[in-house]
Amino acid sequence: DTGVSQDPRHKITKRGQNVTFRCDPISEHNRLYWYRQTLGQGPEFLTYFQNEAQLEKSRLLSDRFSAERPKGSFSTLEIQRTEQGDSAMYLCASSQHRDGGDTEAFFGQGTRLTVV
Amino acid sequence: AQTVTQSQPEMSVQEAETVTLSCTYDTSESDYYLFWYKQPPSRQMILVIRQEAYKQQNATENRFSVNFQKAAKSFSLKISDSQLGDAAMYFCAYRSAMIKAAGNKLTFGGGTRVLVKP
Repeated sequence: DTGVSQDPRHKITKRGQNVTFRCDPISEHNRLYWYRQTLGQGPEFLTYFQNEAQLEKSRLLSDRFSAERPKGSFSTLEIQRTEQGDSAMYLCASSQHRDGGDTEAFFGQGTRLTVV
Repeated sequence: AQTVTQSQPEMSVQEAETVTLSCTYDTSESDYYLFWYKQPPSRQMILVIRQEAYKQQNATENRFSVNFQKAAKSFSLKISDSQLGDAAMYFCAYRSAMIKAAGNKLTFGGGTRVLVKP
């Protein structure tokens, strides 16, 4: 088990371009989360999946953001028409949900997005 | 909505000494979990310690221990015998234990940077 992996690690894009990030969770984990972390701040929840179903989206997730987890394994987060305010670290985490509760969340190393 | 506050942006500690990081939170729920996460530079966030709100006993993990004061809604982290490898950002986080809580997402504080002086 290699843990949660995210790709790419860094992305520089011009304002107005679309970008897509990928997250591969720990294989047996059925829950997957996306968080955004701006410089000097703690992570903020964006959205989460249980298997392939997207069950909650934060108000932070504008219409320009879309996330998918098509087969309940890896997930993608796409940002359309990027803005400078989208510059941040995008973190993915996964956990296993059972009837008795959730395991701890394991985080990936994140994708750092810079919009110029 | 729950909020988590870390009032110390940065703390400095001498190697082998002890440092305590503060965290307060606000919630109307009675059952929840509290966590401390460590985020080293350019590396992923890892769990340091967790505390279940229904447990009165403070959690301990090797050199890391917490002081959980439920009535005061306070959850501090003590790092004993500080080592150079402890240098990192530390985040306090809250997670609801309610079954219907949305995905058991984490709510984080703003973080405290810990500097360890050799």
